[in-house]
Amino acid sequence: SAVISQKPSRDICQRGTSLTIQCQVDSQVTMMFWYRQQPGQSLTLIATANQGSEATYESGFVIDKFPISRPNLTFSTLTVSNMSPEDSSIYLCSVEDSTEAFFGQGTRLTVV
Amino acid sequence: EDQVTQSPEALRLQEGESSSLNCSYTVSGLRGLFWYRQDPGKGPEFLFTLYSAGEEKEKERLKATLTKKESFLHITAPKPEDSATYLCAVQSLLFSGGYNKLIFGAGTRLAVHP
Repeated sequence: SAVISQKPSRDICQRGTSLTIQCQVDSQVTMMFWYRQQPGQSLTLIATANQGSEATYESGFVIDKFPISRPNLTFSTLTVSNMSPEDSSIYLCSVEDSTEAFFGQGTRLTVV
Repeated sequence: EDQVTQSPEALRLQEGESSSLNCSYTVSGLRGLFWYRQDPGKGPEFLFTLYSAGEEKEKERLKATLTKKESFLHITAPKPEDSATYLCAVQSLLFSGGYNKLIFGAGTRLAVHP
């Protein structure tokens, strides 16, 4: 199993600003995943992050809006840039083993 | 296109009133189907993985079953502490970009009242 610490747990931000979310895992993992969960909707994969390489983004998500860093095998950050109210969501960090996915507690972002 | 649909969106039960949640899916080759529980303000918590039609798994008051087109999460004699959102996800056999993608349903919000 894996324990994931994510911070901040919540934040209220002004439109046009940026927020960086941190994700720390208690073990070394090859891939880390970032999801968005909009109110009443399913989890949507934003991108996958491998250590030492650029993140791979899903359709509809771009690096300029959601830059990701992966400096080592236990840590990653997701930045939500130039925020608008439409970015208000829960952002989740995840890692997987052979049988299941593990999630952080999420970051609840409200953009005003 | 791979897709997961959960029903109902919300379910209200009395304590002890058994029921089932449904997860219908279409996927180009199923690697696994996952059930998660999500409490408010928290990330999803793993419950079960099912790999093939006919498979069943149980944990306390929960039992998950799988067919070729859907999965059910049966809740027997629920208690108020079972109140949560239950998420279903499928993982495709398609290996792209170094991983097998997880596709989530929107979840069923369960409320169990004493």
